[in-house]
Amino acid sequence: DGGITQSPKYLFRKEGQNVTLSCEQNLNHDAMYWYRQDPGQGLRLIYYSQIVNDFQKGDIAEGYSVSREKKESFPLTVTSAQKNPTAFYLCASSLDRGRPSTDTQYFGPGTRLTVL
Amino acid sequence: AQSVTQLDSHVSVSEGTPVLLRCNYSSSYSPSLFWYVQHPNKGLQLLLKYTSAATLVKGINGFEAEFKKSETSFHLTKPSAHMSDAAEYFCVVRSSEGSQGNLIFGKGTKLSVKP
Repeated sequence: DGGITQSPKYLFRKEGQNVTLSCEQNLNHDAMYWYRQDPGQGLRLIYYSQIVNDFQKGDIAEGYSVSREKKESFPLTVTSAQKNPTAFYLCASSLDRGRPSTDTQYFGPGTRLTVL
Repeated sequence: AQSVTQLDSHVSVSEGTPVLLRCNYSSSYSPSLFWYVQHPNKGLQLLLKYTSAATLVKGINGFEAEFKKSETSFHLTKPSAHMSDAAEYFCVVRSSEGSQGNLIFGKGTKLSVKP
């Protein structure tokens, strides 16, 4: 059963703590992405990775960090430096990047992070 | 700069009546355009995409969208709404400037379907 999995579905964190969100895909996609969604807004790009051991900042990278040690995995860490971390976080992947024929993005089910 | 505007934040229809969700885009190039659907607390599902082939694009679940360059529009339609269509819909343009391949999202249109 191919697809993108994110865990956990719901996550609660105390202020000042770092937390890591998991994203795994078995689609053999090279590119992976992290987005943040807030109520009434579209998605905003946090980080993306075109290939293993490479990643780039998106529009709102401050307070977040990522790694891409394996093709299948792209974990996102929300650090204590992120001022307003409560949001819905979505991971996506695409076959590659840069070509309209192959960079269609497919999304995971999301993780809802709440900071208490 | 590229952008996308969804003209209605909320649309309400009765079951069995047509659906129209409006989207206008701004792009200097021939754009790639997408519609995604999101059910509550779920991820986004791709409904359809336009990549400069046929201007009328058919998607899943009976949805379709027409690319009109002269109007810079990419409206989403469905002839007959089902209760299961109630969700939020996002119009998206693929950036061909700066970071190519990045997606630019509209703010979403929430579709309600009344019985």
